[in-house]
Amino acid sequence: GQSLEQPSEVTAVEGAIVQINCTYQTSGFYGLSWYQQHDGGAPTFLSYNALDGLEETGRFSSFLSRSDSYGYLLLQELQMKDSASYFCAVRPRGNDMRFGAGTRLTVKP
Amino acid sequence: DAGVIQSPRHEVTEMGQEVTLRCKPISGHNSLFWYRQTMMRGLELLIYFNNNVPIDDSGMPEDRFSAKMPNASFSTLKIQPSEPRDSAVYFCASRGGTGRETQYFGPGTRLLVL
Repeated sequence: GQSLEQPSEVTAVEGAIVQINCTYQTSGFYGLSWYQQHDGGAPTFLSYNALDGLEETGRFSSFLSRSDSYGYLLLQELQMKDSASYFCAVRPRGNDMRFGAGTRLTVKP
Repeated sequence: DAGVIQSPRHEVTEMGQEVTLRCKPISGHNSLFWYRQTMMRGLELLIYFNNNVPIDDSGMPEDRFSAKMPNASFSTLKIQPSEPRDSAVYFCASRGGTGRETQYFGPGTRLLVL
């Protein structure tokens, strides 16, 4: 089976940096993705890591360590609009995707 | 591109009724996914199709749920008979094309079974 662990809630202030961790256990592994979901909205893709290392996309970066079955999403220069839920997701095999329970990020002024 | 289209956006029905959710994936995408999201269980993969063929339906909760994809531009998720515990947001997502790792989600159908 597959399991993903991520914190349920994180709070930070505007302008700060926050890191959301994700550990996973899967029977196979193709890559780790991150999605953002605002209240009442649909998940939207943020980033994908198939290889170890850091991927940077603007204010957001994502890191993967395959040997540690661990990854994180780093959000810099936090803005109020970043308040949302963030999901890590793994591709254990083929085309399917399994999502973590999500981390609710609250950005305070 | 219009993105993934789902209908209806909201559905309120009574227990025992049949519910049909519809999805039109992004043109050119060859994988389609149905998810269910609830506060208690999070985002669950119900079933996914590759090139219109169901690949994995292990997430379908029980026989009351069925999904079809008769062609590359249309899929349905049917619940018959519906029960109050089926109340959730149902998302359809598609993947393919140049952004092969990205799943594009539709706006979801908010289902309430009374």
